[in-house]
This record gives sequence, structure tokens and C-alpha cells, in this order.
Amino acid sequence: QVQLVQSGAEVKKPGSSVKVSCKPSGDTFNTYTFSWVRQAPGQGPEWVGRIIPILDVTNYAQNFQGRVTITADKSTSTVYMELSSLRSEDTAVYYCARGPMTTPTTWFDPWGQGTLVTVS
Amino acid sequence: EIVLTQSPGTLSLSPGERATLSCRASQSVTNSYLAWYQQRRGQAPRLLIYGASTRATGIPDRFSGSGSGTDFTLTISRLEPEDFAVYYCQQYGSSPSTFGQGTKVESK
Repeated sequence: QVQLVQSGAEVKKPGSSVKVSCKPSGDTFNTYTFSWVRQAPGQGPEWVGRIIPILDVTNYAQNFQGRVTITADKSTSTVYMELSSLRSEDTAVYYCARGPMTTPTTWFDPWGQGTLVTVS
Repeated sequence: EIVLTQSPGTLSLSPGERATLSCRASQSVTNSYLAWYQQRRGQAPRLLIYGASTRATGIPDRFSGSGSGTDFTLTISRLEPEDFAVYYCQQYGSSPSTFGQGTKVESK
């Protein structure tokens, strides 16, 4: 069963940046897309952006354009999300989630365990 | 972007009862690209249904999805103790993909 293992919790100051990693188990890195989805306390999930590692193509939600960068390191099969100019409203659990390459936007399965980012 | 409105906000039911959850979209969802997720407290969301009605691998057949256009439904035929959780719908027919605000199914 594929698992996505994310890096640990972060506490950041307003105005700084955070970089979260996600490493899938198994041999799925080049055959799927990987998205980042965040969930603020008590809220529904919100799609941040995605990367197709084999094509090195990225798409970002308009709400995060200019502040988020998603990258993939093919040598270590790891996906990263960096969010800059952090503000208190960015406090949330950030999930990495896998999606098929069949459509531009997809469902997500599985999800990583989540990384809590606290901006304070 | 497409706004998804889920109802009710909270559903109070007993084990063995039937649960019916609604997800309404602000505009038609292309190709019925609508998914449902279950999120237990402190856990990541888990995919239940995609394509409005296709169960994901390993999901019990008491979970079923239906609908098209702007109106979608998740039905849990007989609630088991582990089904008490929050459920989210997601549309992926248009970019950006968006989620509803969730329905909490709680034990009466």
C-alpha cells in the first residue's frame, strides 16, 4: 500500500518561509501527480497546487500564485512545497496527496499524514 | 471557481441507521467529476468515491454515491461505529478543484 511520508511540524514567524517535504513509498513517483492541499482549523480542505514530476509541470491555485513553489527531486523521489511571506492565516495542516495523470484536475488518493505549520 | 455547499452541517444518527449527505455545486460539475472523502478526528482525509459513484479500492459497499450536474449524494446504508466522522465532497471537473465545508456525522 502506497504511503506518502511528510516532514514534521513547523513554527514560523510572520513574513518568513516554510518548506515541507513529501516522499512517496513504492515506485509511483513518475506515474502520478502530487498535489498540496491545506486545511485550516475547523475548515474544509483547500487545494494549493500540484506537480507532475515526470514532466516537471506545475499548476498553482490563484490564491497562492507568487507565494508558493512546488518542486520535485527526481534523485530522491521527493516532492517539496515552499510557501513564502507567511501570515497568521496560513496556519494550517498541509497535506501531500497523490492523483492520477488522467485529467488536469483529479481526486486524491492517498494523502500524507499532514504537516502542521503554525505562523506566530 | 465552483462553490460546493454541503448539507446538513451535522447529522445525528444511531449505528445501523441510514445516512444521506448532500453536496450542491454553484454550477454544473463537468463529467460528474465529484469525489467524497471521510476524515476521522486527527487523521488525513480518505477517498471513498470518485466519478460521483465509483467506490475507491477497499471501500465497503455500504457507501454509495449518486448524482450529476449540480446535485450529488453520498449514502451510507447502515452506519457502523467507525463511520462517525466528517465527510467532504470535492469537484475536480474545473480548475481550481474545490471542496465543500463538510458534514459531520455524529452518534445520537
